[in-house]
Order: sequence, then C-alpha cells, then structure tokens
Amino acid sequence: QKEVEQNSGPLSVPEGAIASLNCTYSDRGSQSFFWYRQYSGKSPELIMFIYSNGDKEDGRFTAQLNKASQYVSLLIRDSQPSDSATYLCAVTSWGYQKVTFGIGTKLQVIP
Amino acid sequence: DAGVTQSPTHLIKTRGQQVTLRCSPISGHKSVSWYQQVLGQGPQFIFQYYEKEERGRGNFPDRFSARQFPNYSSELNVNALLLGDSALYLCASAQQGADTEAFFGQGTRLTVV
Repeated sequence: QKEVEQNSGPLSVPEGAIASLNCTYSDRGSQSFFWYRQYSGKSPELIMFIYSNGDKEDGRFTAQLNKASQYVSLLIRDSQPSDSATYLCAVTSWGYQKVTFGIGTKLQVIP
Repeated sequence: DAGVTQSPTHLIKTRGQQVTLRCSPISGHKSVSWYQQVLGQGPQFIFQYYEKEERGRGNFPDRFSARQFPNYSSELNVNALLLGDSALYLCASAQQGADTEAFFGQGTRLTVV
C-alpha cells in the first residue's frame, strides 16, 4: 500500500466547473496536509495547507480533511484553463520530519 | 524578497562522478529539505535539515549526503552517480520544520550519462 495515493488522471473538467481532486493516506499519525500545483517543467507551488478536520477555503480553492477516513481533497471552483497542471498531495507527521508526496493528479480544464 | 534559489539549474555528469547541488532558502527560513523527482512521479523526500541538524532522512543510499551551513544554505552531494540518479532535484525551505508550509526552488535538472 502506498503511503499517499492519488489517481494520476488525467481529470478533465469543462471551464467554469468544479474540479475535485482526492488523496488518501495510510499513516494515521499524519498531521499536516498540503496541496501543491506543478506546471509542466516547473517546481511545485504551495496552494493550500490544512491541519484540522473540516474545510478550509482560500479563494476558489477549498481543502477538505477527514482524518477518520484518512482522506484529503481539494476542490477548485470556477475552473480556468490556467488551472491545468498536476496537483500533488503531501502529508507529514508531527515530529517526524519527512514529507510524503503522492504521484499527483493531472488536471485538464477544457475551454 | 528572493525566493528559494538553487544552483546550477542544469547539470550533465558521467556515471561514477560526484555532484554537489546548492540551495539558498528564503530569508528567515531555517529549514531546508531536499527532494528527487523523476518524470511522472511525485517528489521523493531525501533529507531535511533544521538549524543545521539533520532531522529527517528518506530511503536513499549512503551515496546521498547533505549539510546545512550557519547561514541556513544547504548542499546536497551525490557520489558514484548512476544513470538512475537522473532527475529533477528540488530544494524546499520552511520557517520551521518540514511539517510546515514549504516553498520550492526552481530545481536542478541532473542528467547522468
């Protein structure tokens, strides 16, 4: 079982729709959860981070965390073609200085 | 403010050689982490340093080593290069530990021939 699992995609959504990206993790001790966006040939860019169960909103982005189900998601509202990128889920545990990334989900927003 | 800077941006080495990659974190950030990313995969954690001490290590062979300097910059060294070491090497800096928000440099593209 992979420590952090994501569907590699591609996930295709029409412009203006909601894109839903999902991530599951295996370590119940995980405490910090991050979403990064990576354009082709570029380095990852931090989009959102979440530490507590529930939802966290920042502009068009909402991160959702459910520790009981070991599940974290990222919703992108009003998707734009410029959102087309690979979205990486990353997970850490308090006191254990290791960050584990998923394989990333490729998102394609169709104009 | 300058972001995370890495040097060099591209590098070509021959099998068996040694390479040193450099990273300067964001001003005020005390944590530096190193990652290896091969095409089509997520970044793989190599090392994390905080306040000049190694705080985390990923599943990489002893050919990989790193250190952090008093000014919080860092170097990643890889000895006895293999073809499989060809990858994008990313440095990320954070104010505190690796479990806080991290910001990546542009990466060093290493090609081993």
